[in-house]
Amino acid sequence: GENVEQHPSTLSVQEGDSAVIKCTYSDSASNYFPWYKQELGKRPQLIIDIRSNVGEKKDQRIAVTLNKTAKHFSLHITETQPEDSAVYFCAALSPYSGNTGKLIFGQGTTLQVKP
Amino acid sequence: DVKVTQSSRYLVKRTGEKVFLECVQDMDHENMFWYRQDPGLGLRLIYFSYDVKMKEKGDIPEGYSVSREKKERFSLILESASTNQTSMYLCASSSGLLSYEQYFGPGTRLTVT
Repeated sequence: GENVEQHPSTLSVQEGDSAVIKCTYSDSASNYFPWYKQELGKRPQLIIDIRSNVGEKKDQRIAVTLNKTAKHFSLHITETQPEDSAVYFCAALSPYSGNTGKLIFGQGTTLQVKP
Repeated sequence: DVKVTQSSRYLVKRTGEKVFLECVQDMDHENMFWYRQDPGLGLRLIYFSYDVKMKEKGDIPEGYSVSREKKERFSLILESASTNQTSMYLCASSSGLLSYEQYFGPGTRLTVT
């Protein structure tokens, strides 16, 4: 079945260091891969996404890379700051759900940025 | 600005009770979703709806049902609440046609005792 595996489950970095979170998806027909950030006590919010016709996308300190052959995608955060501390979820669009927008989420990564 | 609201932030119910969780979105979105969030398990899809009165099971539908009588409202029903349904429940919506971005509600923390 459709599945997204996310690693690591927890990540602790020093402020200013980089953080990388990796996800692997099961169905090669998936073509849309968003990343959501959930701060403590708040709702998940989209921070960046990538479509399968693009290999990399950047937005200031965050970037996402996609390797379609290997069926994995990664979130890169550079120059981490304490406000980056949150739970991050990757997801893949279910390729068999038409326009329903059904997403398959990974298990989440808790990122802690230590000052 | 998209707004997704949920009827309660915190709810305490007894085992066997029928529980209704309601979600309302104000952006005329076609698609609506119910997830439960448990530590280490991520966001697991319970049910989703792509149109009024249309629904599909997600990954963990057992013990739940849903209702979508109006486009803006999507209800999650626990027919007979059990302690293993204690969790955080998140509702989300997306337009589907223009964007797959899901907008989440604030969540309902349900405790079943």
